[in-house]
Amino acid sequence: GAVVSQHPSRVICKSGTSVKIECRSLDFQATTMFWYRQFPKKSLMLMATSNEGSKATYEQGVEKDKFLINHASLTLSTLTVTSAHPEDSSFYICSARGTYSTDTQYFGPGTRLTVL
Amino acid sequence: AQKITQTQPGMFVQEKEAVTLDCTYDTSDPSYGLFWYKQPSSGEMIFLIYQGSYDQQNATEGRYSLNFQKARKSANLVISASQLGDSAMYFCAMNSGGYQKVTFGIGTKLQVIP
Repeated sequence: GAVVSQHPSRVICKSGTSVKIECRSLDFQATTMFWYRQFPKKSLMLMATSNEGSKATYEQGVEKDKFLINHASLTLSTLTVTSAHPEDSSFYICSARGTYSTDTQYFGPGTRLTVL
Repeated sequence: AQKITQTQPGMFVQEKEAVTLDCTYDTSDPSYGLFWYKQPSSGEMIFLIYQGSYDQQNATEGRYSLNFQKARKSANLVISASQLGDSAMYFCAMNSGGYQKVTFGIGTKLQVIP
């Protein structure tokens, strides 16, 4: 089956710094990628949806200037957490899907961000 | 390696009937967590239910229950009294590796028929 990778799997950074997380589809073209944030009680919040070559669509309450999403190619999307703060510490998960909404959605393994 | 298998790409159920969505998992970690999410067409992921590997009893949350069979490595979701609003994609997932890794299945599309 298709594979989606995330890099890094774990990152620790100082407050005020920026962190970039990569999401790659390894064997298919991901027209659409989703970014989620998993909270301690297992709830998974959709942060934004990105389509290749266009601006990401952010969910209500998600600061687009803080969580920069770039989907420059059909195999790569990046999430940059700018000026990270301890409350940004979380588990970030991406998923990728082909062109059609009926295409299978594949999830990455997640990135654990800890902001000190 | 961790793996989640959902073998039912699509399911139909009559309104008010119960339905079971299958999920099997594989991990060498003794400690892990299993959970189910519902994804409507909007793309959001709605958390439904969670089962820890050491939990003695099967988890239940309202109309949702998780049939956890540890020896068989299965964690099937049972939805009782299906409603039209239950039509959605359902994903089984697992936290493992010291809860530093998450693995999702490919999902099951459930359609509830009036």
